[in-house]
Amino acid sequence: SQTIHQWPATLVQPVGSPLSLECTVEGTSNPNLYWYRQAAGRGLQLLFYSVGIGQISSEVPQNLSASRPQDRQFILSSKKLLLSDSGFYLCAFLAASYNEQFFGPGTRLTVL
Amino acid sequence: SQQGEEDPQALSIQEGENATMNCSYKTSINNLQWYRQNSGRGLVHLILIRSNEREKHSGRLRVTLDTSKKSSSLLITASRAADTASYFCATALGNQFYFGTGTSLTVIP
Repeated sequence: SQTIHQWPATLVQPVGSPLSLECTVEGTSNPNLYWYRQAAGRGLQLLFYSVGIGQISSEVPQNLSASRPQDRQFILSSKKLLLSDSGFYLCAFLAASYNEQFFGPGTRLTVL
Repeated sequence: SQQGEEDPQALSIQEGENATMNCSYKTSINNLQWYRQNSGRGLVHLILIRSNEREKHSGRLRVTLDTSKKSSSLLITASRAADTASYFCATALGNQFYFGTGTSLTVIP
């Protein structure tokens, strides 16, 4: 069966520190992968999506970057966090034979 | 922005009543999907309606789509306390998904 893992579940980081959030998918090959950010009580903002290894599309200019070093691994990074980077980060994948996205449990990031 | 919008932003009903949420979007779509999010959790897919469909049912869920008005509605019949959650519509075009701002539904037992 297809599963998606995201870690850590919560993270508190000081302003200016680096960030690395990891997302891995099991049970599917060559999925489309997505990173979203959700501000408190708001909708989801698409940050990045990837259709294959090394292929990253960015939706909005920001302090973040994404990488896909392996088929089922998607990493969200920052060199220096800002206060405005706080939020709930969600990873999702779209399997080839499906039209729906499957979401990970999310990472709540607080930048102090 | 291609992001959709749901209304109302918040809805509170008694258990057993029906809940209706609306979604408007801005671009052409391949399909429109509704997701549910319990507080602090990831989203879970509920139902998908294709651009050439007008209505779809799944259990207690009924979704309509009006592409001429770029709008969709989600009806939850005979609501239960466990339906309390946020509900989001998402439009799909190619590889990209755009989510609305969500409706927070509270079902009072």
